[in-house]
Amino acid sequence: DAGVTQSPTHLIKTRGQQVTLRCSPKSGHDTVSWYQQALGQGPQFIFQYYEEEERQRGNFPDRFSGHQFPNYSSELNVNALLLGDSALYLCASSLVGGGVYGYTFGSGTRLTVV
Amino acid sequence: AQKVTQAQTEISVVEKEDVTLDCVYETRDTTYYLFWYKQPPSGELVFLIRRNSFDEQNEISGRYSWNFQKSTSSFNFTITASQVVDSAVYFCALSEGDMNRDDKIIFGKGTRLHILP
Repeated sequence: DAGVTQSPTHLIKTRGQQVTLRCSPKSGHDTVSWYQQALGQGPQFIFQYYEEEERQRGNFPDRFSGHQFPNYSSELNVNALLLGDSALYLCASSLVGGGVYGYTFGSGTRLTVV
Repeated sequence: AQKVTQAQTEISVVEKEDVTLDCVYETRDTTYYLFWYKQPPSGELVFLIRRNSFDEQNEISGRYSWNFQKSTSSFNFTITASQVVDSAVYFCALSEGDMNRDDKIIFGKGTRLHILP
């Protein structure tokens, strides 16, 4: 049973560009959450998607947007990249109310903005 | 507001020593969930344990044990007889986990653990 799959694993982008990161949730999970982990910090919640809609959002600007598809997979889009967007982006899948059922994390996409 | 504090930024111990990682949390809710995750250099967050706010029973899993004390809002993690493979960053985390409410995870800043051979 595959866990959470994220692609690509590494990415280098230039400041001002746009980037799309992808996540396939664990089989049976219907909710996808995205986290940003800057170097030396704990992961920070970006947003969560359930039933193809944004269910919750953390304190991130509108440059960060997402999408969930009918098969529950998800994309994270970041526009107008800044150097400070360089981080490990983690995807977590769960059933809605993940605190009850538990979260499964992917290995992340390491984004470097130059 | 929810908050998780891991005061120990980095810890180094010699192999076979016991080590305790501290975690203090803040929440206004009576129903919440606490987690510990391990992050090896590969980056993936590895789930270690989940406890709900109504279960203060301590738990032991092999060399790992957890001490949950609501009176002090602490959820500490002890590794007994540490091994080099335990070297990683460990995160304590908190979630309200209610299906009808906010269930995002709030992470601490992590404790980097070095087990020296």
